[in-house]
Amino acid sequence: GENVEQHPSTLSVQEGDSAVIKCTYSDSASNYFPWYKQELGKRPQLIIDIRSNVGEKKDQRIAVTLNKTAKHFSLHITETQPEDSAVYFCAATTNTGNQFYFGTGTSLTVIP
Amino acid sequence: DAGITQSPRHKVTETGTPVTLRCHQTENHRYMYWYRQDPGHGLRLIHYSYGVKDTDKGEVSDGYSVSRSKTEDFLLTLESATSSQTSVYFCAISGQGNEQYFGPGTRLTVT
Repeated sequence: GENVEQHPSTLSVQEGDSAVIKCTYSDSASNYFPWYKQELGKRPQLIIDIRSNVGEKKDQRIAVTLNKTAKHFSLHITETQPEDSAVYFCAATTNTGNQFYFGTGTSLTVIP
Repeated sequence: DAGITQSPRHKVTETGTPVTLRCHQTENHRYMYWYRQDPGHGLRLIHYSYGVKDTDKGEVSDGYSVSRSKTEDFLLTLESATSSQTSVYFCAISGQGNEQYFGPGTRLTVT
């Protein structure tokens, strides 16, 4: 089955700086890669996703890049704000979407 | 939030007792999932369903069973709860576009 690895497990940045979280996957058949943000005590929320037919996607301060050859994808958050502090999860799945495979999460702290 | 509810939201039970968690959706999505979330392990798939009466195991299915008799409901049963099943359980749904949305979670404590 698919194996998704996520790094780093914790990340601290100063407010206004950028944050980058990286994930690798093992199954070349995976073609949909969502990112989730989970605040303390809340449910994971889908914040951005990318499909294998594109290399980059942006939504305001967040962006995701995908390198299919190297089997890795990354989340980029620019101009970080304290409300960006949360745990972020990456995931991978195939076109059928039967199973989602999650990374172990990155705890991001934005220091005011 | 997508139309997903879970019940109960919190439960404390004793070792050896049966427990059933319910997930209900109003989105008419085909796929439904049960995950457990534990510190250091992220989200791990227990079971999932791809239609009424169609279910399959995930990576941590031992000790759990599921049923889906209606499109909108997906039940997770712990036949005989153990302390290792203390966790936060999330239901999720997914439609044709792959986007997966999570329910609010159920915090289960087995004493």
